[in-house]
Amino acid sequence: EPEVTQTPSHQVTQMGQEVILRCVPISNHLYFYWYRQILGQKVEFLVSFYNNEISEKSEIFDDQFSVERPDGSNFTLKIRSTKLEDSAMYFCASSESFDTPGSPLHFGNGTRLTVT
Amino acid sequence: DAKTTQPPSMDCAEGRAANLPCNHSTISGNEYVYWYRQIHSQGPQYIIHGLKNNETNEMASLIITEDRKSSTLILPHATLRDTAVYYCIAPTSGTYKYIFGTGTRLKVLA
Repeated sequence: EPEVTQTPSHQVTQMGQEVILRCVPISNHLYFYWYRQILGQKVEFLVSFYNNEISEKSEIFDDQFSVERPDGSNFTLKIRSTKLEDSAMYFCASSESFDTPGSPLHFGNGTRLTVT
Repeated sequence: DAKTTQPPSMDCAEGRAANLPCNHSTISGNEYVYWYRQIHSQGPQYIIHGLKNNETNEMASLIITEDRKSSTLILPHATLRDTAVYYCIAPTSGTYKYIFGTGTRLKVLA
């Protein structure tokens, strides 16, 4: 069964550094998402992306964050200057089509980001 | 998103059916109900979704009440590997985001 893959599984970075988290969505999917989960807390929506544009974003997704689909297969989340509070699991997700009624999101297994 | 309410935790004996309830009394007529689970800190795993009719797949069954204000996820023969946090989500139609609550922590007991 096709799946969303994320790399790396664990990323350690120093405060103030830039990080790029990478995702390969399911190949025929058109909608892409990033969520995060701080340890012990809820899974939180960050951003959705379609047709090379951000569709929706949350308050968390400030100017320090950006997303990109640099080629036909990858979807990336960049954090420009990491803070301690950015430490979390970051999950990428994709869905087939908004036109497919009820098309569910499929999540990757996440990248654990640790900011020291 | 339609507000969903789930019990914080449930236990189920291995081999028995696990019935996980969810209330979504403010759901609109065209909003789907989705169920996901999260095992440890893995990514949320899609289980099943439905609109009005009951649904069944290889993982579970979803029973939606006629008024659509509540639903029940049924794992017919729970195993130890079904121990997880189960989330019921009813995203607002036309939005792309899911709002995850705290879910139900299901513990399957040997």
